[in-house]
Amino acid sequence: DIQMTQSPSVLSASVGDRVTLNCKASQNINKYLNWYQQKLGEAPKLLIYNTNNLQTGIPSRFSGSGSGTDFTLTISSLQPEDFATYFCFQHNSWPLTFGSGTKLEIK
Amino acid sequence: QVTLKESGPGILQPSQTLSLTCTFSGFSLSTYGMGVGWIRQPSGKGLEWLANIWWDDDKYYNPSLKNRLTISKDTSNNQAFLKITNVDTADTATYYCARIAIVVTTGATGFAYWGQGTLVTVSS
Repeated sequence: DIQMTQSPSVLSASVGDRVTLNCKASQNINKYLNWYQQKLGEAPKLLIYNTNNLQTGIPSRFSGSGSGTDFTLTISSLQPEDFATYFCFQHNSWPLTFGSGTKLEIK
Repeated sequence: QVTLKESGPGILQPSQTLSLTCTFSGFSLSTYGMGVGWIRQPSGKGLEWLANIWWDDDKYYNPSLKNRLTISKDTSNNQAFLKITNVDTADTATYYCARIAIVVTTGATGFAYWGQGTLVTVSS
């Protein structure tokens, strides 16, 4: 199985900050890395698919980059609604696997 | 507009079989490239992928649940199903179904649309 490791597990930041979340795969997953945002009591929401493609309706302050085993999600200027938990997810090979999440909290 | 909604028993006892239904609209599981997956999340914890079924009836399962999972579909009624046998308290979680697709222009895109989830509690 491909292990997905996210760092940090908790990130404290302020509105307006630029933040970077990391995700590392235990083996090459090519471009097949998605980022999801989840708020308490809600289903995950797709932000970025296949490393760097912004899902329809997602603000452009979200961006993704990386390849192979190392990926990042960047939020260019944090908004109040961005404080949530973020999961990475690989769909390159079975079984599909998620990272354990990064909780983005208000400093 | 793509929507999905899960339904389940709410609560069941250890050793019973959990049956979940995903009712969806806005796409068809008979269309090339379409699939539905099941994912679960214990309260306060991470996400675990369980199984996928594709338009051509191809199926994939998480080997960590060994032979306890069965996924199926009813294309005519726009539904997908998941059964988990011999449940235990460790199966207590919110269960989500989600659409996964292979798009001609971009390839596989992962789970883009999710249901609201259904909470399943296993307790004696």
